[in-house]
Amino acid sequence: DTGVSQDPRHKITKRGQNVTFRCDPISEHNRLYWYRQTLGQGPEFLTYFQNEAQLEKSRLLSDRFSAERPKGSFSTLEIQRTEQGDSAMYLCASSPLAGGFYNEQFFGPGTRLTVL
Amino acid sequence: SQQGEEDPQALSIQEGENATMNCSYKTSINNLQWYRQNSGRGLVHLILIRSNEREKHSGRLRVTLDTSKKSSSLLITASRAADTASYFCATDAGGGTYKYIFGTGTRLKVLA
Repeated sequence: DTGVSQDPRHKITKRGQNVTFRCDPISEHNRLYWYRQTLGQGPEFLTYFQNEAQLEKSRLLSDRFSAERPKGSFSTLEIQRTEQGDSAMYLCASSPLAGGFYNEQFFGPGTRLTVL
Repeated sequence: SQQGEEDPQALSIQEGENATMNCSYKTSINNLQWYRQNSGRGLVHLILIRSNEREKHSGRLRVTLDTSKKSSSLLITASRAADTASYFCATDAGGGTYKYIFGTGTRLKVLA
């Protein structure tokens, strides 16, 4: 197993454009998380899935952000009408279900978004 | 908003010394986790401690949890230059959710 992968690793876009990021979790992991991280800060929770169900979404997340996890496998995060404030590292993590207990998260390398 | 706040924000020590960083949080939790982040490897899980545990060890790492004070500490013994990184605590948001909230991090620099 190669761990959590994210694509692309870097994305530069112009303000107002839409962008989509992909995350492939570790295959047997049921939970998948999206975070956003800016320089000097800790990861900020965006949303998480258990299998294909999106169970929680940050109230800080505007309607321009949407995430999907069809069939409970890979996930996509789309940002519509990007703004310069969206520039950040977008991190994906997956975690096993393991009897419903809390377990460690395995993070991908992230997608660095720059909005010009 | 950030639930966890690490202290200190930055720490610089000599190789071989011990490094201690603290995390305080606001609400009741089920578990607390520590992560390390450096530019080479991204975020890596270090240790998980559950709310009914008071102390855990993993190699040179020792984590304590005091739920009455809503605080945790991470001790790295005999530090190495390779320990240079940012360290974050993460707590579940409570209430049966599996959402995690990360702190602001401690930036550790180990001088050779």
